Amino acid sequence: DADVTQTPRNRITKTGKRIMLECSQTKGHDRMYWYRQDPGLGLQLIYYSFDVKDINKGEISDGYSVSRQAQAKFSLSLESAIPNQTALYFCATSDLHHNEQFFGPGTRLTVL
Amino acid sequence: GESVGLHLPTLSVQEGDNSIINCAYSNSASDYFIWYKQESGKGPQFIIDIRSNMDKRQGQRVTVLLNKTVKHLSLQIAATQPGDSAVYFCAENKGTGRRALTFGSGTRLQVQP
Repeated sequence: DADVTQTPRNRITKTGKRIMLECSQTKGHDRMYWYRQDPGLGLQLIYYSFDVKDINKGEISDGYSVSRQAQAKFSLSLESAIPNQTALYFCATSDLHHNEQFFGPGTRLTVL
Repeated sequence: GESVGLHLPTLSVQEGDNSIINCAYSNSASDYFIWYKQESGKGPQFIIDIRSNMDKRQGQRVTVLLNKTVKHLSLQIAATQPGDSAVYFCAENKGTGRRALTFGSGTRLQVQP
């Protein structure tokens, strides 16, 4: 969905490096989410935010942190990347009254 | 939804046939369900949703059935086309005040010409 953008689209980094993945949305949604998808597997929720002052851990938050800088921006950080964090990362948004989530195109992260 | 992290099952169908993709969910308190389609290299896209006070909902070529007794959700695709080839995920809202969806592990649909 072009209304949800993620940068970078691809990133290769080394073990121990700090990485930030960024997500921006023009949908005006209050709620934003970060998911991880491993090859051939489903989506796992990392963190989610229901408004600018709200941050919640998901199923697999260890090793990750997030920042909700504004309604439209939600970034995901890996403070010290490790190889098992190699995955596809998706950002998603939803509004206050509907559960449907709109996904960005994904960021492919490789940690060597 | 089904346990997250399981390897994807695959459903192979012939073009023109009907497809049925199944999902078992875990929480009887879940009050809302969504089916998503994910094509290779793309993010998931909404297909159809259903609330727990319904047992059937139809869209264009797709039907979702909900059986709350056995906690089962299915997606039926009529006259399956090659463009339907993708991974399909069910997701549930577990009915808590904080509405974050839980995704199932997904099913890969392969449409044979």
